[in-house]
Amino acid sequence: EPEVTQTPSHQVTQMGQEVILRCVPISNHLYFYWYRQILGQKVEFLVSFYNNEISEKSEIFDDQFSVERPDGSNFTLKIRSTKLEDSAMYFCASNDGIADTQYFGPGTRLTVL
Amino acid sequence: QKEVEQNSGPLSVPEGAIASLNCTYSDRGSQSFFWYRQYSGKSPELIMSIYSNGDKEDGRFTAQLNKASQYVSLLIRDSQPSDSATYLCAVDGGADGLTFGKGTHLIIQP
Repeated sequence: EPEVTQTPSHQVTQMGQEVILRCVPISNHLYFYWYRQILGQKVEFLVSFYNNEISEKSEIFDDQFSVERPDGSNFTLKIRSTKLEDSAMYFCASNDGIADTQYFGPGTRLTVL
Repeated sequence: QKEVEQNSGPLSVPEGAIASLNCTYSDRGSQSFFWYRQYSGKSPELIMSIYSNGDKEDGRFTAQLNKASQYVSLLIRDSQPSDSATYLCAVDGGADGLTFGKGTHLIIQP
């Protein structure tokens, strides 16, 4: 069964460093999303992406964040200068554009020291 | 601001009994509703989707939707210890993504 994959599973970085989180959505899906979940809190929407551009972004998705689909398979989230409060699980999700269902990847745990 | 409210629990249910999970949402225009299951440290896993008022059954799971009351519920019949997890209610916002509740922590007691 097709699934969303994410790498790395765990990323440790120093405050102020740049990180890139990678996702491979399900191959025939058209809509891509990033969510984050701070430990003990709810899953929060960051950004949606369709047709090679951002569709919507939340208040969390400030100028420190960017997304890119560099090729036909990868979808990346970049955090330019990480802060302690960026420590969270980051989930990628994709949707086929027919049903509303979003399928989530296993997540990347980002730890900022 | 869209809100999704859930009782955080924990909800403790004996093995074999029915677990009942509830959720309310604020946006009356919402059309699509989802229940996800999340084990500790893992990603959300889709359990059920529901779009129309009434009940939708899938195996041991039944989702119920009442748009007039802005209420969604999930029933789990014949609860098993492996059902112990956090259950997330989510409402679809299209390009705005899913709005999740905080989740209800369910414990099935053997």
